[in-house]
Amino acid sequence: NAGVTQTPKFQVLKTGQSMTLQCAQDMNHNSMYWYRQDPGMGLRLIYYSASEGTTDKGEVPNGYNVSRLNKREFSLRLESAAPSQTSVYFCASGFRGSSYEQYFGPGTRLTVT
Amino acid sequence: GENVEQHPSTLSVQEGDSAVIKCTYSDSASNYFPWYKQELGKGPQLIIDIRSNVGEKKDQRIAVTLNKTAKHFSLHITETQPEDSAVYFCAAQRAGSYQLTFGKGTKLSVIP
Repeated sequence: NAGVTQTPKFQVLKTGQSMTLQCAQDMNHNSMYWYRQDPGMGLRLIYYSASEGTTDKGEVPNGYNVSRLNKREFSLRLESAAPSQTSVYFCASGFRGSSYEQYFGPGTRLTVT
Repeated sequence: GENVEQHPSTLSVQEGDSAVIKCTYSDSASNYFPWYKQELGKGPQLIIDIRSNVGEKKDQRIAVTLNKTAKHFSLHITETQPEDSAVYFCAAQRAGSYQLTFGKGTKLSVIP
């Protein structure tokens, strides 16, 4: 049981390049999330997917797109990377219903030059 | 929207002492309050949480208290150990929402 996995662990992009961050969970969770973490800013929600087939914007969605590929996988795409998107990106997953817990992956450290 | 303030931003304690981290929230409709521990280079790990129908919850050396009237909640770590050194985040979630709003974190250093 790997929990939440993310690839890649590290990535360097040039301004204007595109890339997709991958996330998968094996806990049969319904909801999945993408956060970014910047120094002194805590974690901020980019997008989330309440269930397979649905996605919604979070606090900071500009410059990002997401795809909920199936129940297990939720990807985050940067179409034209900017230096302001340099950050550590975390994927999380969780159940709904009586339990609200979210479980995080190990993160992807992205640098845009 | 929800706003979560967390204090202090850094905290140093001697091994064996207690540590307290405090958070306040703005949305009276929030009803779920988790705490996460993040070690260097890793993702946040849920360590304890509390729901609005409970005033206090304990799990071994950690406890969380909630005061809904004042809209604040706190994390208490007793008998601190060097392995407790990490960044701790509080968060709040509005009833019916999928979104967690996080505080900006507290870096706890436990000095042996």
